[in-house]
Amino acid sequence: EVQLVESGGDLVQPGGSLRLSCAASGFTFSNYYMHWVRQAPGKGLVWVSRLNGDGGRTDYADSVKGRFTISRDNAKNTLFLQMNSLRADDTAIYYCTRSSNGRFEYWGQGTLVTVSS
Amino acid sequence: EIVMTQSPATLSVSPGERATLYCRAGQSVSNNLVWYQQKPGQAPRLLIYDASTRATGVPARFSGSGSGTEFTLTISSLQSEDFGVYYCQHHDDWWWTFGQGTKVEIK
Repeated sequence: EVQLVESGGDLVQPGGSLRLSCAASGFTFSNYYMHWVRQAPGKGLVWVSRLNGDGGRTDYADSVKGRFTISRDNAKNTLFLQMNSLRADDTAIYYCTRSSNGRFEYWGQGTLVTVSS
Repeated sequence: EIVMTQSPATLSVSPGERATLYCRAGQSVSNNLVWYQQKPGQAPRLLIYDASTRATGVPARFSGSGSGTEFTLTISSLQSEDFGVYYCQHHDDWWWTFGQGTKVEIK
């Protein structure tokens, strides 16, 4: 059974940093593109970032480019999102997702990031 | 970035009735169109991909159609468990865009 479990969400002050993790199980982690998608409170879904299977190619939404870094540890089946220079509009539930042919097949339960003073 | 526009924003449907949701792309996306269902407090669930292919385990009452710029998600006979927000999504090689969602309410 495919499982994605996010962690690391917290309350952080504007300008601060946070590192999210996503532990994957039930599939060959290194074979898949992995993504982060976020959802602000009461709002819709927004794609944040993507990483290919070997970690060599990254893509970012313009809103997070230069501030967020996606990475993975295939030996530990874990995806990461390092978030720096956090702003109030980064407040959201962050979902880890596995994609196949452009569709998000599996999702974690999400982890809440709140940016506030 | 291709803008995806969903309508209506909210749809109130009685159990057993048909629900039709729309998604329009700002330019042609061929059949690269995906639908998700999200219930309150839950992660999204993949329903339809490639515009019309049901994901594993999705009931046959859910169907998708369309190509190019106009797409439809139809729930043929709405069940009480079908309430929630439905999102369409497009992807190209390096960008993923969601519509703003349609909330389906049980009348």
